[in-house]
Amino acid sequence: DQQVKQNSPSLSVQEGRISILNCDYTNSMFDYFLWYKKYPAEGPTFLISISSIKDKNEDGRFTVFLNKSAKHLSLHIVPSQPGDSAVYFCAASMRGADGLTFGKGTHLIIQP
Amino acid sequence: DGGITQSPKYLFRKEGQNVTLSCEQNLNHDAMYWYRQDPGQGLRLIYYSQIVNDFQKGDIAEGYSVSREKKESFPLTVTSAQKNPTAFYLCASSGSTTNTEAFFGQGTRLTVV
Repeated sequence: DQQVKQNSPSLSVQEGRISILNCDYTNSMFDYFLWYKKYPAEGPTFLISISSIKDKNEDGRFTVFLNKSAKHLSLHIVPSQPGDSAVYFCAASMRGADGLTFGKGTHLIIQP
Repeated sequence: DGGITQSPKYLFRKEGQNVTLSCEQNLNHDAMYWYRQDPGQGLRLIYYSQIVNDFQKGDIAEGYSVSREKKESFPLTVTSAQKNPTAFYLCASSGSTTNTEAFFGQGTRLTVV
């Protein structure tokens, strides 16, 4: 049973617009969430994270929002740039337990 | 089922000892990666391999060694030279061309005692 779900396998956004990537989770014990970015033939790289005590974390063009009641988080990229075209993975962890549970990823395509 | 397997899940090592973490994949992926995760931090790349018999250092390779004798296997050795080896280690694999999927193992928690 998938505990972290990214229901959109792909997303196409025009350059300069906002990209919104969504992630849902089912395990209420998760208290730390991360986003990873991956280019083809490269390993995933850490992008941004958020603790469950917050509902928003911002880093430059990237903002992650967490809605604990809905068990939903989203990554906003504003403005979207061509270099943002990549696969984005949502991951979750819980205090006291090792490991990250990953979603399957969303392929973001930024169109000129 | 296709996937990537790390073993063991928990590993204890005495100071001064080398220890090897296993990572196996049956996805026919060319590329494999080792990451380290510390509390409150994202993944940091230790080593990666794009093809059999070839591998490259990542951001924090000191104190680690790898081998890639088979496509399916990419073991990581934590040597006694690694000053702070207690961490969570994650292995990943991906296709080498336009395949954008990445698969992750479940991780190994290494504790130095």
